[in-house]
Amino acid sequence: DAKTTQPTSMDCAEGRAANLPCNHSTISGNEYVYWYRQIHSQGPQYIIHGLKNNETNEMASLIITEDRKSSTLILPHATLRDTAVYYCIVSNDYKLSFGAGTTVTVRA
Amino acid sequence: GAVVSQHPSWVICKSGTSVKIECRSLDFQATTMFWYRQFPKQSLMLMATSNEGSKATYEQGVEKDKFLINHASLTLSTLTVTSAHPEDSSFYICSASMRARGNQPQHFGDGTRLSIL
Repeated sequence: DAKTTQPTSMDCAEGRAANLPCNHSTISGNEYVYWYRQIHSQGPQYIIHGLKNNETNEMASLIITEDRKSSTLILPHATLRDTAVYYCIVSNDYKLSFGAGTTVTVRA
Repeated sequence: GAVVSQHPSWVICKSGTSVKIECRSLDFQATTMFWYRQFPKQSLMLMATSNEGSKATYEQGVEKDKFLINHASLTLSTLTVTSAHPEDSSFYICSASMRARGNQPQHFGDGTRLSIL
């Protein structure tokens, strides 16, 4: 699987959009981009995934650049409950390789 | 939808005993289930992958005789930690996926915190 690079941490203001970047410059053509988050002491929660088109669901939007070398997860209106570690993972099969992720802290 | 239940949430037991953890997909059929381990302040590490009715595939460095995995049905997988020792204390997390439906995400349980005294 290709590796991803994410910022170690980010602070976000409650009520504002949170934009989480992820670099995956070695991604191959059949690899999907997945986003998960893990709130302290819980199992990871699936957020969204995509191949090359932008995706949106009730939780977030995923913007993938045209060359697919990077992506951005957008939480449209961050709340305190969105404080978590966010993982960006690329995979072309069923295996997920978790890196260190981005620790996102939403502040009131 | 896509709810995965894991039981128990936490367990404390004496060194040398065996511990069984259950993972159930409540509202979908999971063709593939995964078991992860997470030590404090570290990320999740995949231990093994199991397909319903088949033997589990273990990641390098994971002892298959120590961590017994059974995936007897499309909604249930179990992980048994045999002869557990203090170094096996960790946060064990399962996930499930409907692989048969193409590129489907994994959905995770809430984990089991295992403490071996």
